[in-house]
Amino acid sequence: QKEVEQNSGPLSVPEGAIASLNCTYSDRVSQSFFWYRQYSGKSPELIMSIYSNGDKEDGRFTAQLNKASQYVSLLIRDSQPSDSATYLCAVRREAGTALIFGKGTTLSVSS
Amino acid sequence: DAGVIQSPRHEVTEMGQEVTLRCKPISGHNSLFWYRQTMMRGLELLIYFNNNVPIDDSGMPEDRFSAKMPNASFSTLKIQPSEPRDSAVYFCASSYGQLYNEQFFGPGTRLTVL
Repeated sequence: QKEVEQNSGPLSVPEGAIASLNCTYSDRVSQSFFWYRQYSGKSPELIMSIYSNGDKEDGRFTAQLNKASQYVSLLIRDSQPSDSATYLCAVRREAGTALIFGKGTTLSVSS
Repeated sequence: DAGVIQSPRHEVTEMGQEVTLRCKPISGHNSLFWYRQTMMRGLELLIYFNNNVPIDDSGMPEDRFSAKMPNASFSTLKIQPSEPRDSAVYFCASSYGQLYNEQFFGPGTRLTVL
């Protein structure tokens, strides 16, 4: 079983819609969870981090974590064409250890 | 404030040649990470350093790969000899502290081995 799994997509949504990106992880002791956005030909950039069960909102982005289900998601409200990118889910087992990345979900927002 | 700096940005070499990739982390950051990204395997951690000491090199694919961090502001990743399957984008990232530390990525080096 892969440690961090994401649907590769592409996920296509119209402009203004809500995009929902999902990620599951296999290691129950994972403590920290991150969403990175990567535009084509660019490096990953951190957009959200979440450490506790529940929701965390930052502007149009909401990260959701359910440790019991080993599931983390990212919602993007009012999707814009500029949100079109690959979204990488990353998980850290414990402080001081390295991130484990999923392969990413490609999001396409059409205008 | 400068971000993570990597050089070169692009490298084209022939099989069997030595390749050296360079990274300058963000000033003050004490952890440095080398990743490799391919379409097939995604973003994979190769090695990471904390306070210039290698902590986990289990991702280094084989003895042809080596990494050093002689001081807090510089690291190298060397491939000798290079092979076509080493073609990928190599990212360096840095972070500060241990708990809840967030990683910042450099622009990457696109390596093509012919």
